[in-house]
Amino acid sequence: QKEVEQNSGPLSVPEGAIASLNCTYSDRGSQSFFWYRQYSGKSPELIMFIYSNGDKEDGRFTAQLNKASQYVSLLIRDSQPSDSATYLCAVNLWDYKLSFGAGTTVTVRA
Amino acid sequence: GEEVAQTPKHLVRGEGQKAKLYCAPIKGHSYVFWYQQVLKNEFKFLISFQNENVFDETGMPKERFSAKCLPNSPCSLEIQATKLEDSAVYFCASSPPFQGSNQPQHFGDGTRLSIL
Repeated sequence: QKEVEQNSGPLSVPEGAIASLNCTYSDRGSQSFFWYRQYSGKSPELIMFIYSNGDKEDGRFTAQLNKASQYVSLLIRDSQPSDSATYLCAVNLWDYKLSFGAGTTVTVRA
Repeated sequence: GEEVAQTPKHLVRGEGQKAKLYCAPIKGHSYVFWYQQVLKNEFKFLISFQNENVFDETGMPKERFSAKCLPNSPCSLEIQATKLEDSAVYFCASSPPFQGSNQPQHFGDGTRLSIL
């Protein structure tokens, strides 16, 4: 079992819709959870991070964490064509290194 | 600086040659991480430093890979006797000191290493 798994996608949504991305992790000791956005050929860009159960909102992005279910999600509201990218879920333990999922490619249709 | 600076952007080496990559972390960040991204999205952790000290090297192929973070110098990742399979994008990331929870890591633009 991979440490971090994401819905494989690709995910195509119309402009203005909500894009929902899911991620599960295997290690119950995982402490911190991150969502990065990566445009093709570019570096990962931090979108959201969450440490505690519940929801965290930042502009059009909402991260949700459920440690009991070992599940973290990212919602993108009012999706824009500029949101088209690969979204990477990353998790780390006490040793700080990130374990990444394989990424979900999102395409927002104008 | 305000960004993680990686050099060079691209590096081409013949199989068996040496490759050396550099990373300057964000000023004030005490942790540095190296990751290898092969294929499209698979990230592999290589090594991390806390200031000049190796913090975690569990991902390093020790036979040919080495890394350093020396005071007042960019961190470096060196690959001896490169192989075709070393072709990848190598990302460096840095993060602030631990403050009761793991701090987000900020990534540089990466070095694309091509082994011919």
